[in-house]
Amino acid sequence: GAGVSQSPSNKVTEKGKDVELRCDPISGHTALYWYRQSLGQGLEFLIYFQGNSAPDKSGLPSDRFSAERTGGSVSTLTIQRTQQEDSAVYLCASSSTGGKSPLHFGNGTRLTVT
Amino acid sequence: AQKITQTQPGMFVQEKEAVTLDCTYDTSDQSYGLFWYKQPSSGEMIFLIYQGSYDEQNATEGRYSLNFQKARKSANLVISASQLGDSAMYFCAMRERDRDDKIIFGKGTRLHILP
Repeated sequence: GAGVSQSPSNKVTEKGKDVELRCDPISGHTALYWYRQSLGQGLEFLIYFQGNSAPDKSGLPSDRFSAERTGGSVSTLTIQRTQQEDSAVYLCASSSTGGKSPLHFGNGTRLTVT
Repeated sequence: AQKITQTQPGMFVQEKEAVTLDCTYDTSDQSYGLFWYKQPSSGEMIFLIYQGSYDEQNATEGRYSLNFQKARKSANLVISASQLGDSAMYFCAMRERDRDDKIIFGKGTRLHILP
């Protein structure tokens, strides 16, 4: 596709359930980033991938959060045993290699934990 | 410690006036890049402008320009001749090349353009 695609666009889940959020980056983009944005707040860095490896996982809030990327393309962010404080918009972005390369963002997944 | 600081949580500006959105950053890297993004109420993230740490001239893109003061570690966004459509959240971000290209964002400034 032409842009970064995220699915689902909206997800409502019950507290304690696991959820999977998917990101399909722009073809050829080697870097992929996950951010979390709570209502009216800034973007909280979660994790990023260079190819299939994740040099920096420091932003993951707890061990309930994990992410993987396969084939240097699609990435999945998994949240286990969801809590109400996990409710937020999860944004994925990709970029090509190079310092000037900007991030191209998807439209996000709005997660609501009830 | 915050790496990107945007001190203005909200600003109100009259249409057609110029506006400056502040951004200061903290890094020990010599090579880094600074980005500004716009997020309208629709939620999409729109890339506006980029400044590299080694760029000698301030970046410009149409009505957007970046007032880059390296010694002060500041990268303020200037919007000339503001329009109603400029009302949005604006985020400053930094890519630290010595940190494996991790990109971090400030908390943002909400800009309101008044008719």
